[in-house]
Order: sequence, then structure tokens, then C-alpha cells
Amino acid sequence: NAGVTQTPKFRVLKTGQSMTLLCAQDMNHEYMYWYRQDPGMGLRLIHYSVGEGTTAKGEVPDGYNVSRLKKQNFLLGLESAAPSQTSVYFCASSYSMLRGGSISGANVLTFGAGSRLTVL
Amino acid sequence: ILNVEQSPQSLHVQEGDSTNFTCSFPSSNFYALHWYRWETAKSPEALFVMTLNGDEKKKGRISATLNTKEGYSYLYIKGSQPEDSATYLCAFAGAREKLTFGTGTRLTIIP
Repeated sequence: NAGVTQTPKFRVLKTGQSMTLLCAQDMNHEYMYWYRQDPGMGLRLIHYSVGEGTTAKGEVPDGYNVSRLKKQNFLLGLESAAPSQTSVYFCASSYSMLRGGSISGANVLTFGAGSRLTVL
Repeated sequence: ILNVEQSPQSLHVQEGDSTNFTCSFPSSNFYALHWYRWETAKSPEALFVMTLNGDEKKKGRISATLNTKEGYSYLYIKGSQPEDSATYLCAFAGAREKLTFGTGTRLTIIP
């Protein structure tokens, strides 16, 4: 059982280049998330998805786009990378516990191993 | 922006000693409080999810308490072992909102 798999694990980009991080989960989870982790900042939510075909902005969405074409995959794209996007990116997934149609906070997150991105 | 604070930022504890640390969060619009354990070079792993004021959870030597009225949770580790060395993250979920993580408490157990 692979859980949550992120690719690539490491990447170095030049400013202005584009790239896509792939997150795949095999637990049939409805919810998927992308976080970034920077020193002293904790984990900050970039975008999330509550189901196939749906995405929503998190706390720090600017400069990123996402897509959830299949339930098991959640892609994070950087169209024009900037040095400020140098970070470690974590994907996570969870079951849904919808209350009145809104995302619930009691569902436990399963995290991927992280992807370290450096933008020069 | 929700304010989730953890203290202390780092902690060194002698093997065998017990320790605890704190997560502070908004006392309004509470839905759940999560604790995760994050070992170096690994991914965060869930320890506890607490949803009710007064909740107490236990997993082996690790336990947690929750006070939603005053907005804090304590994580306790009894008889610390070297394998307890990790960063411990708490995350707050307000109703209809996503998880907001604290910056973590980095625990180092000294053999």
C-alpha cells in the first residue's frame, strides 16, 4: 500500500521556468491538499480539492495552479517559477466528513514524503 | 489569518524524563484539533484528533488534552525515549475551514 506518493522528490528550476508536481494516492480519499513548508512558517495550505474536478484556494495560492482530473491525482503547477517559491512541498489526502456541504476538519491527513523545489 | 501557536519552539529532554508542550488556538469556531508527529526526513504522521472540550487521548506513552473554551491543548510524553525525537505539530480546524498548522515544537531526547 503506497499511500501518498509525490513526484519528483527534488527539482531545481531557473526563474521563469514552469513545472508540475504530481501527487497520487491509492486510499480512495476524497480530499487532497498541497502545502508548502518554509523555515519558521509551519505548513501553509496552497490549494485543496474536495473531489474529482473541484479545486479551491488555500492560504497562499498565488503563483500556483492545480488540477484534479482523476480522484487519485492532484497536480500542482508553477507557470513561471520565482525564487520565493523555493520550498518543500507536501501533498496530503484524507477522507471527507462533509457537514452541510463544507469541508470538515476532523478528518486525519495522510502526507506524502515531500518535494524539495529550488528556484534559482 | 488564524493564529495557532506552539511553545516552546524547541526542547531538549533527558532520556527517561517526562515532558509536555502547548498548542494555543482561537477559542471561537472550534471544530477539531489535530496533533502530528514529524520525524526528520519523513512525512508528518497523525497522532490524535480531538473534537470535544475536555477530550483526552492516549497512545502508548503519549497523551493529549484539549480545552476549547480557553483555546489550548497539551501534549505529554511520559518517560521520553530517543525515538520520541521529532517535531510535534498541532493543527486547528475551525468550522467550515481548513487545517491551520502551528510551527511545531522540536523535541530532542538526550541519551
